[in-house]
Amino acid sequence: GIQVEQSPPDLILQEGANSTLRCNFSDSVNNLQWFHQNPWGQLINLFYIPSGTKQNGRLSATTVATERYSLLYISSSQTTDSGVYFCAVLTQGGSEKLVFGKGTKLTVNP
Amino acid sequence: NAGVTQTPKFQVLKTGQSMTLQCAQDMNHNSMYWYRQDPGMGLRLIYYSASEGTTDKGEVPNGYNVSRLNKREFSLRLESAAPSQTSVYFCASSLGRTDTQYFGPGTRLTVL
Repeated sequence: GIQVEQSPPDLILQEGANSTLRCNFSDSVNNLQWFHQNPWGQLINLFYIPSGTKQNGRLSATTVATERYSLLYISSSQTTDSGVYFCAVLTQGGSEKLVFGKGTKLTVNP
Repeated sequence: NAGVTQTPKFQVLKTGQSMTLQCAQDMNHNSMYWYRQDPGMGLRLIYYSASEGTTDKGEVPNGYNVSRLNKREFSLRLESAAPSQTSVYFCASSLGRTDTQYFGPGTRLTVL
């Protein structure tokens, strides 16, 4: 099946720093989503981004489908950005399934 | 709009007991899903329902059954719980199979 790899697995930042999270996938996909899982376990949709670039406030994402990767940028990080960021891809082929990476755990210190 | 709701929030079972996790969505979505999340892992698909009246197996269906009761509700049943089913269970829904999935708050299940 499709492999989804996220890097880095862990990231520690000082408040105000910028960061880039990466998601590589091993096959063509129908779509790609980025999620933030907050410390209380809630999964929050960040982006639905099968290709191209989107921005939402301090966050932006870019997916290059032809090269099978996506990047999530966090600028001017805040302590509330802490949590785990997941990339998930929707497989192709008739029985589409959302396959998750293992996540990047982000800790933002004040 | 409540979005996707799940009950219960927490549950402790003994090995061999049965239970049903409930999920409901009020977004008029056609597709619904059940996932499990184990420590340090991403979510894995257990079962899904592409539309009312249909259900299909996901990546880890063994030990589970599902029922799409109507367009709003999708339940997950554990017939004989095992310690390996200790996990956090998430329900999700989407308008269509390839659309954005929205997740409920999760149910934390412990099987002793």
